[in-house]
Amino acid sequence: GENVEQHPSTLSVQEGDSAVIKCTYSDSASNYFPWYKQELGKRPQLIIDIRSNVGEKKDQRIAVTLNKTAKHFSLHITETQPEDSAVYFCAATSKRTSYDKVIFGPGTSLSVIP
Amino acid sequence: GAVVSQHPSWVICKSGTSVKIECRSLDFQATTMFWYRQFPKQSLMLMATSNEGSKATYEQGVEKDKFLINHASLTLSTLTVTSAHPEDSSFYICSAPDRPEAFFGQGTRLTVV
Repeated sequence: GENVEQHPSTLSVQEGDSAVIKCTYSDSASNYFPWYKQELGKRPQLIIDIRSNVGEKKDQRIAVTLNKTAKHFSLHITETQPEDSAVYFCAATSKRTSYDKVIFGPGTSLSVIP
Repeated sequence: GAVVSQHPSWVICKSGTSVKIECRSLDFQATTMFWYRQFPKQSLMLMATSNEGSKATYEQGVEKDKFLINHASLTLSTLTVTSAHPEDSSFYICSAPDRPEAFFGQGTRLTVV
């Protein structure tokens, strides 16, 4: 089955600096890669996503890159703010089946220090 | 975006009892729903895939007789934790795909005492 790895597990940055989180996936059939932000005790919130036919996508301070050949994708947050502190999960969706099973990476706990 | 509602948001039960958690898609039909479990400081682990009108598909290591799933309609899936034990205490969360996105319920914090 699909396996998603994510690094680092914890990340601490100064306010205003950039944060980068990297993920790899195992299933070459995966074609949709969402990123979620989860605050303690709450549901994951989609912050950005990328499809397999796109190499890069940007939304204000957040960008995601995808390298299909290497099966790598990364999240970049620029000009970090304290409210960016949360756990971030990358995920991969495979269309091997008729439905879209989302497999999550282990998560990165991001702390932005004011 | 689509809305998925999950109830209850938290529940405390005695060891040995059963607890039912509901997951509803409010503004779209979901022939498939997913149930995840999340332990503190860990990721969301897929437990099972709920299929409307048919049996659920369980991930390896998940006891199907302990975690009963029913998907009786296109908008409702239920997860029943049977004979709950303290080690079942966790955050349970459902999701439903409205392609290509997955939409999550609020989650249920289960505490078994």
